[in-house]
Amino acid sequence: EVVMTQSPAILSVSPGERATLSCRASQTVHTNVAWHQQRPGQGPRLLIFSATSRVSDVPARFSGRGSGTEFTLTIDNVQPEDFAIYYCQEYQHWPPTRTFGQGTKVE
Amino acid sequence: QVQLVESGGDVAQPGKSLRLSCVVSGFKFESFAFHWVRRAPGRGLEWVSSISYLGASVSYADSVRGRFTISREDSKSSLFLQMNSLRPDDTAIYYCAKGLSGADNLPPHLWGQGTLVTVSS
Repeated sequence: EVVMTQSPAILSVSPGERATLSCRASQTVHTNVAWHQQRPGQGPRLLIFSATSRVSDVPARFSGRGSGTEFTLTIDNVQPEDFAIYYCQEYQHWPPTRTFGQGTKVE
Repeated sequence: QVQLVESGGDVAQPGKSLRLSCVVSGFKFESFAFHWVRRAPGRGLEWVSSISYLGASVSYADSVRGRFTISREDSKSSLFLQMNSLRPDDTAIYYCAKGLSGADNLPPHLWGQGTLVTVSS
């Protein structure tokens, strides 16, 4: 069973700052990692897949890095609409057991 | 415009059944895999079930296997989740999501707004 552990649980930033979110896999998932954003009261939204590929309508201030077991999501110049919960997800192992991390709240 | 609209969420007693539906518009439904993901109160996202293109492959989380059944009706651009033997820990918002492709082992791409299932006596 692969466990995805996100840190920190809560990240406090001010608009205009950079936010760096981490996700660690308990075993290698190569680059099979996605990042999702969930704003309050909304369904989630895919931001990044294959660890680094940004979905077409996602702003360029979102970027993903990593491979193996260590992954990061960086938000440059945080905007007010970026305050949300972010989940990493591994899809190397199928069917999954605990595919999502527990989330990082950016506030 | 792409839309995924879930319905069927309700209050149900433990042991009862509910059937969730997700109607999709704005893209070619039959070409993609679909997923159900839930979020319990105060908790994070939990994958529930997936179905591939043409329904050739279906998968379930251990927590729902044997109780829930995922299905699709391509002619109606609709996805379903039959939920039997409901338990209080099934209480959650259930999201329907379109996969990145027809394969079910890729992440959800587009998500609906969710439908609330509450299991309580």
